[in-house]
Amino acid sequence: GQSLEQPSEVTAVEGAIVQINCTYQTSGFYGLSWYQQHDGGAPTFLSYNALDGLEETGRFSSFLSRSDSYGYLLLQELQMKDSASYFCASGQKVTFGTGTKLQVIP
Amino acid sequence: EADIYQTPRYLVIGTGKKITLECSQTMGHDKMYWYQQDPGMELHLIHYSYGVNSTEKGDLSSESTVSRIRTEHFPLTLESARPSHTSQYLCASSESGTSSYGYTFGSGTRLTVV
Repeated sequence: GQSLEQPSEVTAVEGAIVQINCTYQTSGFYGLSWYQQHDGGAPTFLSYNALDGLEETGRFSSFLSRSDSYGYLLLQELQMKDSASYFCASGQKVTFGTGTKLQVIP
Repeated sequence: EADIYQTPRYLVIGTGKKITLECSQTMGHDKMYWYQQDPGMELHLIHYSYGVNSTEKGDLSSESTVSRIRTEHFPLTLESARPSHTSQYLCASSESGTSSYGYTFGSGTRLTVV
């Protein structure tokens, strides 16, 4: 089976940098993905890491360490619109993490 | 424009009724999925399909059933709705092979059974 654990809530200031962690236990590894979901909306795909290291996409970066079964999503230059829930996901039949609700404050 | 569509967006229905939630995608994706999500909670996989005439149950036990007669269409049916079925149902699709592009989700159906 698979399980992916995330902090339940994170609060950060507009303009700052925030890191959302994800630790996973999976039978087999199929990469680690990240999704953003605003309240009442559908999840949208942000990034995918198949190999160790950092992947950068604009203000968002995602990191993976397979030896530590750990990854994180890094959001830079935070904006109010970044307030949302963020999910890591992995698995052949993709399992989603417990989700982290990010609140960006002025 | 390639996309994935779910209807209805909202549904309030009485206990015991039969309902079908529609999901269609225009991207030609082989893989399609149904997830159930309660407000503020994680997504749970309830059904998936890797192609026409292929359907499997997910990790979360569900009383719903699905069919995949056409590549673009993946409807979910509840034969007898109950209040415990109240939730949001999200349909998604993905390309075969690499996960580099992730899943594309529909807007979801918010189901309330009274």
